[in-house]
Amino acid sequence: EAGVAQSPRYKIIEKRQSVAFWCNPISGHATLYWYQQILGQGPKLLIQFQNNGVVDDSQLPKDRFSAERLKGVDSTLKIQPAKLEDSAVYLCASSFAGGYGYTFGSGTRLTVV
Amino acid sequence: EDKVVQSPLSLVVHEGDTVTLNCSYEVTNFRSLLWYKQEKKAPTFLFMLTSSGIEKKSGRLSSILDKKELFSILNITATQTGDSAVYLCAVLSGGGADGLTFGKGTHLIIQP
Repeated sequence: EAGVAQSPRYKIIEKRQSVAFWCNPISGHATLYWYQQILGQGPKLLIQFQNNGVVDDSQLPKDRFSAERLKGVDSTLKIQPAKLEDSAVYLCASSFAGGYGYTFGSGTRLTVV
Repeated sequence: EDKVVQSPLSLVVHEGDTVTLNCSYEVTNFRSLLWYKQEKKAPTFLFMLTSSGIEKKSGRLSSILDKKELFSILNITATQTGDSAVYLCAVLSGGGADGLTFGKGTHLIIQP
Protein backbone atom coordinates (compact mmCIF):
# COMPACT_ATOMS: atom_id res chain seq x y z
CA GLU A 1 0.00 0.00 0.00
CA ALA A 2 1.41 3.39 -0.97
CA GLY A 3 1.82 5.79 1.94
CA VAL A 4 0.93 9.44 2.35
CA ALA A 5 2.96 11.45 -0.16
CA GLN A 6 4.15 14.99 0.56
CA SER A 7 6.20 17.51 -1.35
CA PRO A 8 8.50 19.29 -1.23
CA ARG A 9 10.66 17.65 1.43
CA TYR A 10 12.47 20.86 2.33
CA LYS A 11 11.79 24.54 1.73
CA ILE A 12 13.71 27.65 2.74
CA ILE A 13 12.05 31.03 2.24
CA GLU A 14 12.45 34.56 3.48
CA LYS A 15 9.91 36.06 5.86
CA ARG A 16 6.93 37.68 4.16
CA GLN A 17 7.21 35.30 1.19
CA SER A 18 4.55 32.73 0.41
CA VAL A 19 4.88 28.94 0.29
CA ALA A 20 2.67 25.97 -0.55
CA PHE A 21 2.82 22.31 0.46
CA TRP A 22 1.15 19.40 -1.29
CA CYS A 23 -0.23 16.14 0.10
CA ASN A 24 -1.65 13.01 -1.52
CA PRO A 25 -3.35 10.73 1.03
CA ILE A 26 -3.65 6.95 1.06
CA SER A 27 -6.20 5.77 -1.46
CA GLY A 28 -9.59 5.27 0.18
CA HIS A 29 -8.87 7.48 3.19
CA ALA A 30 -11.69 9.99 3.43
CA THR A 31 -10.09 12.08 6.16
CA LEU A 32 -7.00 14.26 5.68
CA TYR A 33 -5.15 16.28 8.32
CA TRP A 34 -2.42 18.91 8.36
CA TYR A 35 -0.23 19.14 11.46
CA GLN A 36 2.50 21.61 12.40
CA GLN A 37 5.45 20.30 14.45
CA ILE A 38 7.77 22.90 15.89
CA LEU A 39 11.18 21.64 17.02
CA GLY A 40 10.94 19.96 20.43
CA GLN A 41 7.13 19.82 20.40
CA GLY A 42 4.53 17.25 19.47
CA PRO A 43 2.54 17.78 16.27
CA LYS A 44 -0.35 20.25 16.51
CA LEU A 45 -3.45 19.85 14.36
CA LEU A 46 -4.03 22.74 11.96
CA ILE A 47 -6.96 21.48 9.90
CA GLN A 48 -8.99 18.34 9.25
CA PHE A 49 -10.91 17.56 6.05
CA GLN A 50 -13.60 14.94 5.63
CA ASN A 51 -13.69 14.34 1.87
CA ASN A 52 -13.51 17.94 0.60
CA GLY A 53 -15.25 19.59 3.55
CA VAL A 54 -13.55 21.16 6.58
CA VAL A 55 -14.34 19.41 9.88
CA ASP A 56 -12.01 21.32 12.22
CA ASP A 57 -9.83 24.36 11.52
CA SER A 58 -9.98 25.90 14.99
CA GLN A 59 -6.18 26.01 15.34
CA LEU A 60 -5.41 27.28 11.84
CA PRO A 61 -4.08 30.89 11.83
CA LYS A 62 -6.51 31.99 9.17
CA ASP A 63 -4.96 35.40 8.64
CA ARG A 64 -1.98 33.75 6.94
CA PHE A 65 -2.70 30.04 6.51
CA SER A 66 -5.14 28.50 4.05
CA ALA A 67 -5.83 24.95 2.94
CA GLU A 68 -8.00 23.27 0.39
CA ARG A 69 -8.84 19.74 -0.67
CA LEU A 70 -10.38 19.85 -4.10
CA LYS A 71 -12.22 16.72 -5.27
CA GLY A 72 -11.68 15.11 -1.88
CA VAL A 73 -8.23 13.69 -2.67
CA ASP A 74 -5.08 15.85 -2.81
CA SER A 75 -4.65 18.82 -0.54
CA THR A 76 -2.53 21.95 -0.45
CA LEU A 77 -1.57 24.08 2.54
CA LYS A 78 -0.45 27.65 1.91
CA ILE A 79 1.23 30.23 4.09
CA GLN A 80 1.13 33.87 2.99
CA PRO A 81 2.99 35.84 4.26
CA ALA A 82 5.36 33.61 6.22
CA LYS A 83 6.77 34.58 9.61
CA LEU A 84 9.90 33.34 11.37
CA GLU A 85 7.77 31.39 13.87
CA ASP A 86 6.28 29.34 11.02
CA SER A 87 9.56 27.41 10.80
CA ALA A 88 8.48 23.83 11.49
CA VAL A 89 7.82 20.45 9.93
CA TYR A 90 4.40 20.30 8.28
CA LEU A 91 2.98 16.80 8.44
CA CYS A 92 0.07 15.52 6.43
CA ALA A 93 -1.87 12.47 7.64
CA SER A 94 -4.87 10.53 6.43
CA SER A 95 -7.27 8.00 7.90
CA PHE A 96 -10.53 6.19 7.36
CA ALA A 97 -13.57 7.85 8.88
CA GLY A 98 -13.46 7.68 12.66
CA GLY A 99 -9.70 8.00 12.83
CA TYR A 100 -8.85 4.39 12.00
CA GLY A 101 -5.68 3.66 10.07
CA TYR A 102 -4.13 7.03 10.92
CA THR A 103 -0.95 7.32 8.79
CA PHE A 104 1.51 10.20 8.55
CA GLY A 105 3.56 11.38 5.59
CA SER A 106 7.26 12.21 5.84
CA GLY A 107 6.54 15.91 6.14
CA THR A 108 7.94 19.13 4.72
CA ARG A 109 10.59 20.94 6.72
CA LEU A 110 10.06 24.70 6.35
CA THR A 111 12.73 27.18 7.36
CA VAL A 112 11.81 30.86 7.33
CA VAL A 113 14.82 33.21 7.43
CA GLU B 1 -8.69 22.12 26.38
CA ASP B 2 -7.34 18.60 25.88
CA LYS B 3 -3.94 17.98 27.44
CA VAL B 4 -1.35 15.20 27.09
CA VAL B 5 1.78 15.12 29.28
CA GLN B 6 4.68 12.76 28.70
CA SER B 7 7.53 11.93 31.02
CA PRO B 8 10.43 11.87 31.07
CA LEU B 9 11.12 14.33 28.24
CA SER B 10 14.49 12.69 27.62
CA LEU B 11 16.13 9.48 28.69
CA VAL B 12 19.56 7.97 28.08
CA VAL B 13 20.10 4.27 28.80
CA HIS B 14 22.48 1.51 27.78
CA GLU B 15 21.73 -1.18 25.26
CA GLY B 16 19.93 -4.09 26.91
CA ASP B 17 18.19 -1.97 29.54
CA THR B 18 14.41 -1.88 29.97
CA VAL B 19 12.66 1.49 29.77
CA THR B 20 9.21 2.71 30.75
CA LEU B 21 7.74 5.82 29.14
CA ASN B 22 4.78 7.58 30.71
CA CYS B 23 1.80 9.41 29.27
CA SER B 24 -1.00 11.08 31.24
CA TYR B 25 -3.97 12.85 29.72
CA GLU B 26 -6.93 15.11 30.42
CA VAL B 27 -9.41 15.09 27.57
CA THR B 28 -13.14 15.34 27.09
CA ASN B 29 -14.85 12.32 25.54
CA PHE B 30 -11.82 10.01 25.39
CA ARG B 31 -11.91 7.54 22.50
CA SER B 32 -8.42 6.07 22.25
CA LEU B 33 -4.73 6.61 22.99
CA LEU B 34 -2.03 6.09 20.39
CA TRP B 35 1.74 5.66 20.61
CA TYR B 36 4.05 6.65 17.75
CA LYS B 37 7.80 6.36 17.13
CA GLN B 38 9.41 9.32 15.35
CA GLU B 39 12.94 8.84 14.05
CA LYS B 40 13.29 11.46 11.36
CA LYS B 41 10.08 13.14 10.28
CA ALA B 42 7.15 10.77 9.88
CA PRO B 43 5.68 9.40 13.11
CA THR B 44 5.17 5.67 12.67
CA PHE B 45 2.31 3.91 14.42
CA LEU B 46 3.04 1.57 17.33
CA PHE B 47 -0.16 0.94 19.31
CA MET B 48 -3.74 2.06 19.64
CA LEU B 49 -5.34 1.50 23.06
CA THR B 50 -9.04 1.80 23.68
CA SER B 51 -9.86 -0.55 26.53
CA SER B 52 -8.46 -0.22 30.01
CA GLY B 53 -6.19 -2.92 31.41
CA ILE B 54 -5.57 -4.78 28.17
CA GLU B 55 -1.91 -4.96 27.21
CA LYS B 56 -0.91 -4.54 23.60
CA LYS B 57 2.36 -6.23 22.66
CA SER B 58 4.61 -6.22 19.63
CA GLY B 59 7.99 -7.90 20.01
CA ARG B 60 9.95 -6.08 22.70
CA LEU B 61 7.40 -3.26 22.95
CA SER B 62 4.26 -3.33 25.04
CA SER B 63 1.74 -0.80 26.23
CA ILE B 64 -1.17 -0.63 28.62
CA LEU B 65 -3.89 1.91 29.33
CA ASP B 66 -5.48 2.84 32.67
CA LYS B 67 -8.67 4.78 31.94
CA LYS B 68 -9.47 5.27 35.61
CA GLU B 69 -6.16 6.95 36.39
CA LEU B 70 -5.91 8.52 32.91
CA PHE B 71 -2.49 7.29 31.92
CA SER B 72 -0.64 4.87 29.71
CA ILE B 73 2.85 3.39 29.74
CA LEU B 74 5.05 2.15 26.93
CA ASN B 75 7.63 -0.47 27.87
CA ILE B 76 10.63 -1.43 25.78
CA THR B 77 12.64 -4.43 26.95
CA ALA B 78 16.19 -5.42 25.90
CA THR B 79 16.66 -2.04 24.21
CA GLN B 80 18.75 -1.75 21.04
CA THR B 81 20.41 1.27 19.44
CA GLY B 82 17.69 1.18 16.77
CA ASP B 83 15.14 2.03 19.46
CA SER B 84 16.65 5.51 19.72
CA ALA B 85 13.89 7.92 18.70
CA VAL B 86 11.25 10.30 19.98
CA TYR B 87 8.22 8.43 21.29
CA LEU B 88 4.97 10.36 20.97
CA CYS B 89 1.76 9.76 22.86
CA ALA B 90 -1.49 11.10 21.38
CA VAL B 91 -5.14 11.02 22.34
CA LEU B 92 -8.14 10.81 20.05
CA SER B 93 -11.14 12.46 21.68
CA GLY B 94 -14.81 12.51 20.93
CA GLY B 95 -17.10 14.48 18.71
CA GLY B 96 -17.03 14.62 14.95
CA ALA B 97 -13.41 15.68 14.64
CA ASP B 98 -10.65 13.06 14.64
CA GLY B 99 -7.66 15.30 15.30
CA LEU B 100 -5.01 13.92 17.65
CA THR B 101 -3.71 15.82 20.68
CA PHE B 102 -0.04 15.01 21.15
CA GLY B 103 2.32 15.24 24.07
CA LYS B 104 5.79 16.74 23.62
CA GLY B 105 7.35 13.32 23.30
CA THR B 106 10.10 11.41 25.09
CA HIS B 107 13.51 11.56 23.42
CA LEU B 108 15.06 8.14 24.05
CA ILE B 109 18.76 7.57 23.41
CA ILE B 110 20.19 4.06 23.60
CA GLN B 111 23.95 3.98 24.09
CA PRO B 112 25.90 0.93 22.87
